[in-house]
Amino acid sequence: GQNIDQPTEMTATEGAIVQINCTYQTSGFNGLFWYQQHAGEAPTFLSYNVLDGLEEKGRFSSFLSRSKGYSYLLLKELQMKDSASYLCAVRDRTGGYNKLIFGAGTRLAVHP
Amino acid sequence: GAGVSQSPSNKVTEKGKDVELRCDPISGHTALYWYRQSLGQGLEFLIYFQGNSAPDKSGLPSDRFSAERTGGSVSTLTIQRTQQEDSAVYLCASSLGGGLAGETQYFGPGTRLLVL
Repeated sequence: GQNIDQPTEMTATEGAIVQINCTYQTSGFNGLFWYQQHAGEAPTFLSYNVLDGLEEKGRFSSFLSRSKGYSYLLLKELQMKDSASYLCAVRDRTGGYNKLIFGAGTRLAVHP
Repeated sequence: GAGVSQSPSNKVTEKGKDVELRCDPISGHTALYWYRQSLGQGLEFLIYFQGNSAPDKSGLPSDRFSAERTGGSVSTLTIQRTQQEDSAVYLCASSLGGGLAGETQYFGPGTRLLVL
């Protein structure tokens, strides 16, 4: 089966750096995604990793280690608007399909 | 259209009634997904359509839930004999469907369903 774990809540200070971890177990791993979801809104795509290593995109970076079943999302120079839920999702091709399995999300609160 | 659209945006119904939720994917996207998100929870996969292939229904929680996709575009999620535990936000997403590794899913605004 599949299992994705990430912390429920995190807090950080404006201007700081925060790292949100995600561990996963899946039989048909085919990539890992991070989505941002503001309260009451739909998730929006942030980043994608399929090979080991770090992918950087502006203030956001995502890291993947397939051997450890581990990823993190790094947010730099935090802004108040970064307060949101961050969803880790694994793409699973078990059975020939490419569906996303989501974690429960990490609610990040950024304080002044 | 420019993005994924869903209707209605909000739906209040009585326990035992049937509801239909609609999703219009991004034009040209052959893959379509339905998810459910309960308050404060992550997204729960329900069903996945890819072109003309048989859909992946492995996430449907019970036989009261069904979905169809007509003409490879618009999809309808039907919940029969609704129960209070069906109350949630139902999110639809679409993607190009080419099977590329980095293929991104784009989400609609969701339908907020409340079963009284």
